[in-house]
Amino acid sequence: DADVTQTPRNRITKTGKRIMLECSQTKGHDRMYWYRQDPGLGLRLIYYSFDVKDINKGEISDGYSVSRQAQAKFSLSLESAIPNQTALYFCATSDILTSSGGYNEQFFGPGTRLTVL
Amino acid sequence: SQKIEQNSEALNIQEGKTATLTCNYTNYSPAYLQWYRQDPGRGPVFLLLIRENEKEKRKERLKVTFDTTLKQSLFHITASQPADSATYLCALFKAAGNKLTFGGGTRVLVKP
Repeated sequence: DADVTQTPRNRITKTGKRIMLECSQTKGHDRMYWYRQDPGLGLRLIYYSFDVKDINKGEISDGYSVSRQAQAKFSLSLESAIPNQTALYFCATSDILTSSGGYNEQFFGPGTRLTVL
Repeated sequence: SQKIEQNSEALNIQEGKTATLTCNYTNYSPAYLQWYRQDPGRGPVFLLLIRENEKEKRKERLKVTFDTTLKQSLFHITASQPADSATYLCALFKAAGNKLTFGGGTRVLVKP
C-alpha cells in the first residue's frame, strides 16, 4: 500500500462549492504539507503542519484552510472554490529535522487533480 | 525577493549522453538543496540532497554539484536512458523557516 494517499484523485466542481481534499500517511511522520502545482510555476506551499497542534500558512494560503485531525491525517479545504484554484494538489510528509541537521526529504502523495468550472 | 530558477525549456538528449540541468537561486542562503524526479501524473520522488558545505554528491548515474558562490546547483545524468525521461525539480531548504521551496522544474526527454 502507498505510504501517502490522497482522496479524491480527480474532482470537477463548480464555482462557489466547498471542497475537501484528504491526505493520509502511514509513514509515522509528524510533518505534513499541502502544495499546489501549476504548469511552469512548480510546487507552491499552501499550508504545513509540524504536529497535530501546529498549523502554519505557506506562501499561498488565501482561499484555503486545513485541519490536522490526527498525526496521520491532514485535510485541505476550499471554502468557496474559484476557477483559478484549478490545479494539481499534492500532500507530502517528512520526518522531524534532527538537531544534527538531518535533512527534510519529503514524501509525496499521488496528487489530486481539481478542476473548478 | 527569493527566487529559484530552472530552465523551463525541455531538454532533449540522445540516449547514452550526459544530461545537465541547472538550478539558480537568488536572495537565499540555503542550508541544503534537494533534487526530485516527477513523472507525469505522479508526485515528486526524492533523488539527492547536497549540503552547503559539500561541493559534489553522487548516486549511481546521478551527480549533483553545489556552488554557493555562484548560487547554482548542477544536476547531471550520465549515460542517460529513455527511462530517465521525466521532470526534475530542485528545492532549497533554509534552516530558518523549516520548509522547502521548489523551482519550476526542467523536463528531460531522452531519445533512443
